[in-house]
Amino acid sequence: DAGVTQSPTHLIKTRGQQVTLRCSPISGHKSVSWYQQVLGQGPQFIFQYYEKEERGRGNFPDRFSARQFPNYSSELNVNALLLGDSALYLCASSLAGVENNSPLHFGNGTRLTVT
Amino acid sequence: DQQVKQNSPSLSVQEGRISILNCDYTNSMFDYFLWYKKYPAEGPTFLISISSIKDKNEDGRFTVFLNKSAKHLSLHIVPSQPGDSAVYFCAASAREYGNKLVFGAGTILRVKS
Repeated sequence: DAGVTQSPTHLIKTRGQQVTLRCSPISGHKSVSWYQQVLGQGPQFIFQYYEKEERGRGNFPDRFSARQFPNYSSELNVNALLLGDSALYLCASSLAGVENNSPLHFGNGTRLTVT
Repeated sequence: DQQVKQNSPSLSVQEGRISILNCDYTNSMFDYFLWYKKYPAEGPTFLISISSIKDKNEDGRFTVFLNKSAKHLSLHIVPSQPGDSAVYFCAASAREYGNKLVFGAGTILRVKS
């Protein structure tokens, strides 16, 4: 079975530009979460979506937005890119929503470089 | 405020011996704890988890211990293998916070053959 797939794998953007990252969850998983990982740190929570509704948002500015589609895939958008947005962006899916503990399964991430 | 801490940036172990990775947390609301392994250019891979109602969970070579009074958990890998060399992340979540994971900064494990 295919795991969580993310595209693109790498991306280079200029300050001020906008970027869209895409994620397809494991088949049957209805919850998708987004995390940002900068070098030397653990992943930081950005968003969680379950059944196409936002169920949680981390401490990120409004330049970050996301959505989940009827097929449970998801997009993360970042506007007005800053140099500090350079990071590995990880998407994760899980069987359960916010009510039940279940492990997140991560994709390989999108490496975003802002110059 | 770093709620999950992995105080050892790196650990080096001989093949066949035990690897012990440690993690401390500060938020008493956390009720579910996980360990992930990450290789370069890959996403974190789920290894093992433990609920706060347990103090031990085993899966093959991997065992996680939870000491709630000390707010401490550890991952034991026995026996360690060269393929275990990776970055290990401890993570915690709380039902009240909607199950989002709070990660530690990671520990680099090197298993020498």
